[in-house]
Amino acid sequence: GAVVSQHPSRVICKSGTSVKIECRSLDFQATTMFWYRQFPKQSLMLMATSNEGSKATYEQGVEKDKFLINHASLTLSTLTVTSAHPEDSSFYICSAREGASGGRANEQFFGPGTRLTVL
Amino acid sequence: GESVGLHLPTLSVQEGDNSIINCAYSNSASDYFIWYKQESGKGPQFIIDIRSNMDKRQGQRVTVLLNKTVKHLSLQIAATQPGDSAVYFCAENHPRGNKLVFGAGTILRVKS
Repeated sequence: GAVVSQHPSRVICKSGTSVKIECRSLDFQATTMFWYRQFPKQSLMLMATSNEGSKATYEQGVEKDKFLINHASLTLSTLTVTSAHPEDSSFYICSAREGASGGRANEQFFGPGTRLTVL
Repeated sequence: GESVGLHLPTLSVQEGDNSIINCAYSNSASDYFIWYKQESGKGPQFIIDIRSNMDKRQGQRVTVLLNKTVKHLSLQIAATQPGDSAVYFCAENHPRGNKLVFGAGTILRVKS
């Protein structure tokens, strides 16, 4: 149980185009989803937190107009990288939290990641 | 705060030996800690967690120790196997915002 998928697994796009990445919780309802970015040989950096039905909360330094996050349902969140540039090339990882009470309240389940390459 | 490192520390161990990976966390108010394993090109994989009201927790071949006095977390892997080779991250849950902050990571290399 607690499987999170991402689509696509890798994408190559031209500079200036927009790219949408999907994150789905397959067997549970995720009240909260998180988007992380990871550059080579670095740790995961939280970009934003999104709760179903409300606006995402962005971390300091993350441009909300460039990284559009939509969490329209309890099983789907999307990250759109608008007007992508080579410096946006990175590994984007989502996670989902069920929001249950008790022991699983804090547990995040991670997706497999999406490799974005901007030419 | 967040940890960023361009050169991850590497721990090399012989197959069958025990491994100890260390992590210093930043926020004394953090209430929940997790160790993740990440293989190349994949998302983080949960290994073991511990709450702040505990100082030790054991799983299958893994043990996590928490020392809140010095804000230190360690992961012990018994009888390390080649399949354990990966990057290991600790993460702390910040109560404010209820979000995870990841440590810099440690590369574990297991020599056969």
